[in-house]
Amino acid sequence: GAGVSQTPSNKVTEKGKYVELRCDPISGHTALYWYRQSLGQGPEFLIYFQGTGAADDSGLPNDRFFAVRPEGSVSTLKIQRTERGDSAVYLCASSLGGAGANVLTFGAGSRLTVL
Amino acid sequence: DAKTTQPTSMDCAEGRAANLPCNHSTISGNEYVYWYRQIHSQGPQYIIHGLKNNETNEMASLIITEDRKSSTLILPHATLRDTAVYYCIVRDRGSQGNLIFGKGTKLSVKP
Repeated sequence: GAGVSQTPSNKVTEKGKYVELRCDPISGHTALYWYRQSLGQGPEFLIYFQGTGAADDSGLPNDRFFAVRPEGSVSTLKIQRTERGDSAVYLCASSLGGAGANVLTFGAGSRLTVL
Repeated sequence: DAKTTQPTSMDCAEGRAANLPCNHSTISGNEYVYWYRQIHSQGPQYIIHGLKNNETNEMASLIITEDRKSSTLILPHATLRDTAVYYCIVRDRGSQGNLIFGKGTKLSVKP
């Protein structure tokens, strides 16, 4: 597609449930990033993929959060045993990767509400 | 921690130039300056980036001081649709990793 697509756009779940958020990057973009954004704050980095592998997962807050990108394209962010504090907008971005300037293109985000 | 300092908020009259400052006094010679903006309920949108020369594109101009310790994003004729949070970010040119966002500047364009 022309842009980064994220689904679902909105997800409401109950505390303790499992959630999956999907990201379809721009075709040909080798790098993929997940961020989350709480109200009034800037986006907070979670994890970055180069191809199929997680090149940097230092932003994942704890072991309830996990992300995969098995074929180097679509990525899924998985959250186990959700807590109310996980409520946020989860943003995905992709880029061409490679040397030099690296411009990220973001999706519209998935808004997660944990009741 | 973010390596940049920006004012929390600014106002601009519609049709006038919006000048958004950013301090990055600890910037290194290999770091680019990037600007993104985020309109309400959307993902961040890339605007412009530069290393040491001034840059211009269809959206904005980026003026970087000679010592590279600060920069200014200029929207030459602001419209109501330019109301957004503007983020100034520095990042190593050789890095393939993530961008670190601060809180940005909330620009309000008023009629």
